[in-house]
Amino acid sequence: QVQLQESGPGLVKPSETLSLTCTVSGGSISSYYWSWIRQPPGKGLEWIGYIYYSGSTNYNPSLKSRVTISVDTAKNQFALKLRSVTAADTAVYFCARGLPYPHYYSFDVWGKGTTVTVSS
Amino acid sequence: EIVLTQSPATLSLSPGERATLSCRASQSVSSYLAWYQQKPGQSPRLLIYDALNRATGIPARFSGSGSGTDFTLTISSLEPEDFAVYYCQQCNNWPGTFGQGTKVEIK
Repeated sequence: QVQLQESGPGLVKPSETLSLTCTVSGGSISSYYWSWIRQPPGKGLEWIGYIYYSGSTNYNPSLKSRVTISVDTAKNQFALKLRSVTAADTAVYFCARGLPYPHYYSFDVWGKGTTVTVSS
Repeated sequence: EIVLTQSPATLSLSPGERATLSCRASQSVSSYLAWYQQKPGQSPRLLIYDALNRATGIPARFSGSGSGTDFTLTISSLEPEDFAVYYCQQCNNWPGTFGQGTKVEIK
């Protein structure tokens, strides 16, 4: 079955760029919406944004000025870049797959999550 | 941004009991509401989408109801593995938002 795996640095310095990749295995990245969601320590979930396999994106307005999500269909991967990070960006970052349209906002496959700490 | 308010914050129940979790939206989300279960150190698991549809592989003891602003997740008879945190999530309006969670704990 489809599995997702996040990868990237676990420690990022303030003001720098957080970069994560999600690798999709056991299935194709095509024809689905792919999302990044984060969870600060001990807190709830925040949807960062999503990308369709064709490349169209939508970002949470609270992060829009700092976020870029991209897709590489040849590698079956999608990626997150979050610029100018602060301690408030410390969180577990999850990648997830949306159900087929129009239910794309419901995430049926999740990665295990990766902890990113912003600290000097 | 639509705010989802979940109640209660904590629900203390025994195995075999019925659990009723509430999610209220600050404005109508139609039926674009999902429920997730999250255990410590794990990623969330989709239970219900579009307010009442069980996701693949989800046991029948989980059911969802509601539309508009008031939604309910019911677990008909709690199994030991059901003790966890439950989140609701809407995407009628972008950005999709999550509730703050309800913790179902063993009494």
